[in-house]
Amino acid sequence: EAQVTQNPRYLITVTGKKLTVTCSQNMNHEYMSWYRQDPGLGLRQIYYSMNVEVTDKGDVPEGYKVSRKEKRNFPLILESPSPNQTSLYFCASRFSAGGYTFGSGTRLTVV
Amino acid sequence: KNEVEQSPQNLTAQEGEFITINCSYSVGISALHWLQQHPGGGIVSLFMLSSGKKKHGRLIATINIQEKHSSLHITASHPRDSAVYICAVRRGYTGTASKLTFGTGTRLQVTL
Repeated sequence: EAQVTQNPRYLITVTGKKLTVTCSQNMNHEYMSWYRQDPGLGLRQIYYSMNVEVTDKGDVPEGYKVSRKEKRNFPLILESPSPNQTSLYFCASRFSAGGYTFGSGTRLTVV
Repeated sequence: KNEVEQSPQNLTAQEGEFITINCSYSVGISALHWLQQHPGGGIVSLFMLSSGKKKHGRLIATINIQEKHSSLHITASHPRDSAVYICAVRRGYTGTASKLTFGTGTRLQVTL
């Protein structure tokens, strides 16, 4: 089944403890991206990647890192999480001229 | 002013009604996407438009590039259409063409 898999689905962590949210797609899509969704603010793009080793900032990249060492994987790294990064996170992928396939989301709480 | 504006923010309809959700944007775009977010939180891509009109089942999406406006229509609405509908624009034509900006969504409730 064609899908984008995010893990974990839920995560509670403490301020400053490094964490990684994984994202993997099995559709050979070139493009992958990360978004956060907050009440009243909607969805906002964090980072995107056009292909392996090619990444760029979205609208809210501060406090996040990404890497694209393989085409199928695009992990989101929070080196020192803070409470303002508590949010619902989505990973998505697409072919260059196609629509998006979204992961199921990761609900992150930083205390 | 947001780069992508959706209206209405909330919409309640009775089963069978024709529904229209509007999206206006103020930036140059390479494509516009309509997304559906289910009550459980999952997001599904409905349409990608760069011109004209697309239809899938009871859903129709149109875009007017000159007026920077798109509409999503639902014919013969059903309670299972209850969801948040989100408009997103892919900005620019070259290096920025993968930046995606979202509207804040339209919450649709269809009642029996």
